[in-house]
Amino acid sequence: SQQGEEDPQALSIQEGENATMNCSYKTSINNLQWYRQNSGRGLVHLILIRSNEREKHSGRLRVTLDTSKKSSSLLITASRAADTASYFCATDAKQAGTALIFGKGTTLSVSS
Amino acid sequence: GAVVSQHPSRVICKSGTSVKIECRSLDFQATTMFWYRQFPKQSLMLMATSNEGSKATYEQGVEKDKFLINHASLTLSTLTVTSAHPEDSSFYICSAILSGGGTDTQYFGPGTRLTVL
Repeated sequence: SQQGEEDPQALSIQEGENATMNCSYKTSINNLQWYRQNSGRGLVHLILIRSNEREKHSGRLRVTLDTSKKSSSLLITASRAADTASYFCATDAKQAGTALIFGKGTTLSVSS
Repeated sequence: GAVVSQHPSRVICKSGTSVKIECRSLDFQATTMFWYRQFPKQSLMLMATSNEGSKATYEQGVEKDKFLINHASLTLSTLTVTSAHPEDSSFYICSAILSGGGTDTQYFGPGTRLTVL
């Protein structure tokens, strides 16, 4: 089952521009996480935001969470060609130990 | 940080054969592990929850007799794709839960690329 829906599905930008990806989910959550996946490779954990947090920063990443709208956004500032990848949000239900449920993902292409 | 390994990283097999994929938590014990499947250009779909010492819990639509899961120890879960067919070709990713300090953190393996000819 999939919990999240990301938009856009695909995003193409130039180096130096900002990239914003959005994620919506359906049920109450403990945390929301964002992952990056390069083509054919494993997942790289980017950032975790807890349900009681509204915004979090990590380097060029900024994540927001709106639990009233059940949505989150990931902003990558000053993008680089190396940021080209697929980005997924993942949520866990309020019960401890349950699996992460992934959104459909956004494919980001950054051209130099 | 905690490390989860998968073996093999890539496997090519003939249709009708069975393939076993291992998922190991290298530096922690995990009573719960998860198996995901990812088709090309798609997201990760949860297949099953693997619990040490008990039967796995499968998601709707996942055949338990086709995808055999064994979690015989606190550091190892195996997924066996039985009588594999080309439509089983996919990227299989496991994750393991590290519990501590009142929180559960999932760590993902690097994935196994299965190609069935």
